[in-house]
Amino acid sequence: AQSVSQHNHHVILSEAASLELGCNYSYGGTVNLFWYVQYPGQHLQLLLKYFSGDPLVKGIKGFEAEFIKSKFSFNLRKPSVQWSDTAEYFCAVNTYNQGGKLIFGQGTELSVKP
Amino acid sequence: GAGVSQSPSNKVTEKGKDVELRCDPISGHTALYWYRQRLGQGLEFLIYFQGNSAPDKSGLPSDRFSAERTGESVSTLTIQRTQQEDSAVYLCASSLAKKNTEAFFGQGTRLTVV
Repeated sequence: AQSVSQHNHHVILSEAASLELGCNYSYGGTVNLFWYVQYPGQHLQLLLKYFSGDPLVKGIKGFEAEFIKSKFSFNLRKPSVQWSDTAEYFCAVNTYNQGGKLIFGQGTELSVKP
Repeated sequence: GAGVSQSPSNKVTEKGKDVELRCDPISGHTALYWYRQRLGQGLEFLIYFQGNSAPDKSGLPSDRFSAERTGESVSTLTIQRTQQEDSAVYLCASSLAKKNTEAFFGQGTRLTVV
């Protein structure tokens, strides 16, 4: 069965530090890849997505992610974090060709110190 | 509707009682998902509906859990004989049932079993 693994459970950074959150998935077929964010007290919202084409995708609020097919990875990056980036981040994989089920990783809690 | 709507937003129930959680997807979205998010944990897939296809129930944790969806409209998740370990936020999401589309999430129902 397909699965998604996020390497970091809790990341603590100071403002202006660079961010990289790891995400690996296990599925050999065609995938759609997503990062969702959940700010405190709010619902899940899409940060960015990869369907095809350029493996470096840019999302909202200065976030980007790179799809490396050979590594089954889709890591999230931001050059300089802000206090307002404090949130929980979820990587997700949709294996559309297997019925479209959307599978999430365990999430990474990011705390940014002002 | 404008977004995915879930009701109630909060539910406190006594152990052993049955509960029904409701999800109104975005109009026109034929795919609908239910997830469970326990405190400090990731999103656990429960069930997935896509159009008139048989639902993917592979994530339901026990036979106390069931879900229904009539056509492309409202879905209800029912938990019978609730247990304390059922306490969690139950999230619903919907999407267009086609490739290269993302899921949109509701605010969730916070279920507390006392």
